[in-house]
Amino acid sequence: AQTVTQSQPEMSVQEAETVTLSCTYDTSENNYYLFWYKQPPSRQMILVIRQEAYKQQNATENRFSVNFQKAAKSFSLKISDSQLGDTAMYFCAFMALSSSNTGKLIFGQGTTLQVKP
Amino acid sequence: ETGVTQTPRHLVMGMTNKKSLKCEQHLGHNAMYWYKQSAKKPLELMFVYSLEERVENNSVPSRFSPECPNSSHLFLHLHTLQPEDSALYLCASSQVFLAGSGGREQFFGPGTRLTVL
Repeated sequence: AQTVTQSQPEMSVQEAETVTLSCTYDTSENNYYLFWYKQPPSRQMILVIRQEAYKQQNATENRFSVNFQKAAKSFSLKISDSQLGDTAMYFCAFMALSSSNTGKLIFGQGTTLQVKP
Repeated sequence: ETGVTQTPRHLVMGMTNKKSLKCEQHLGHNAMYWYKQSAKKPLELMFVYSLEERVENNSVPSRFSPECPNSSHLFLHLHTLQPEDSALYLCASSQVFLAGSGGREQFFGPGTRLTVL
């Protein structure tokens, strides 16, 4: 069974600074996707970034980038130039590309990030 | 309407009531999901429907009954709930591939905040 672990329940960062959120996962699958989702206080879960396991290049989306270490099963999220609107709970999630094909996501426990002015 | 919508946004019910949660996706996806989000716990997958067929039921008590009449609509029928069922219930949709390669990222609705008295 796959598991996803986020070991930092809460983090804070000053506006305009950089912060890194950690995520590790455990799986025997070779083909999978990894995601970071953001859930602001308004509760709408939003996709931040996606990484395909077969790609060696780390995904980036504007101020958001990941450090994907497949051998170490690590998938951290770096937020550069933090903004007040980045305050949210961040979830790391795993999806196996297996023959069962339900598209099921396995989520970590979440990290609450507060960006301070 | 765009994306994934959920109604009602807030629901308070007694333990003997019967109510239903509704989810609608406007993205042309072929899979829909119900998640339960309780405080301090990871998102718990409840049900998965792929091509209108229930493909996963994550040991959910029978007091929760899902219904998927077509690929755009998903319901969660509730009856004789317990106070511990109070939570945020999230609906999501995605496009699941039929060639054994899993699916794409899930898009979430805003959730229904359920309180059971």
